[in-house]
Amino acid sequence: GEDVEQSLFLSVREGDSSVINCTYTDSSSTYLYWYKQEPGAGLQLLTYIFSNMDMKQDQRLTVLLNKKDKHLSLRIADTQTGDSAIYFCAERIGSSASKIIFGSGTRLSIRP
Amino acid sequence: GAGVSQSPSNKVTEKGKDVELRCDPISGHTALYWYRQSLGQGLEFLIYFQGNSAPDKSGLPSDRFSAERTGGSVSTLTIQRTQQEDSAVYLCASSSTDYGYTFGSGTRLTVV
Repeated sequence: GEDVEQSLFLSVREGDSSVINCTYTDSSSTYLYWYKQEPGAGLQLLTYIFSNMDMKQDQRLTVLLNKKDKHLSLRIADTQTGDSAIYFCAERIGSSASKIIFGSGTRLSIRP
Repeated sequence: GAGVSQSPSNKVTEKGKDVELRCDPISGHTALYWYRQSLGQGLEFLIYFQGNSAPDKSGLPSDRFSAERTGGSVSTLTIQRTQQEDSAVYLCASSSTDYGYTFGSGTRLTVV
C-alpha cells in the first residue's frame, strides 16, 4: 500500500541543524519531495530527489535517500526562526503526473 | 496566470447546503489535483485530472463529492449536502513536469 510516515514534532535551537525524517512504503516511488507550509500559507515545494539518487544538496538543505530502507531525510543547516513551519514529505508513485502521497507533516519549532 | 488561483478563499456554509470550489491552474499545466487538509492533519488526496484521460477519483470520500475540469483548464469541486466533517482547507495544485506540484492558497470551508 501507499503510506508516508513522519514524526509530528521537532524542536531545535536556533543555529543548530534540524533533521526531519520520513519513511515510505512504496518501492515504485519515482520522485520524493519536501514541501514547506508556513502558518496560514499554502504549500511550497522546497526540494525533490529522484529515486536513483542518494543525496541532493541545495544551499542549507541536504536531502538523503536510503532506497533500501525507504527512508528520506531533510537536513536544514544553521536553522533560523524563519524555518519554523510544517514540513511535508511526499512520494510520487509511478509514471509522470501520477498522484503524490503526502505524510502528515512535521512541525518544526525553533527555540532561542 | 502566474500561480494557481483558488476561489473563494473562505466559505462558510450551512449544513446541508451545496458548495462549489473553483481552481484556476497555471496556464499550460496538464495535470490538476485536489487535496483536503483538515485542522492539524496532513494532506488527503481527493482527485486528479491528467489531460483528456479519465480522472482518478479514488480519494473522494463519498458520493457527495464530485469534480470536473472543463476544457482542460478550470476545475470545480462540488460538495453536496455538506456536513460538519467536510470542514477543511481544500487545496488545488497543478503540474506540468515530474518536479512537483504548484499549490494554490486553498479554500477554507467551514460548515456550521
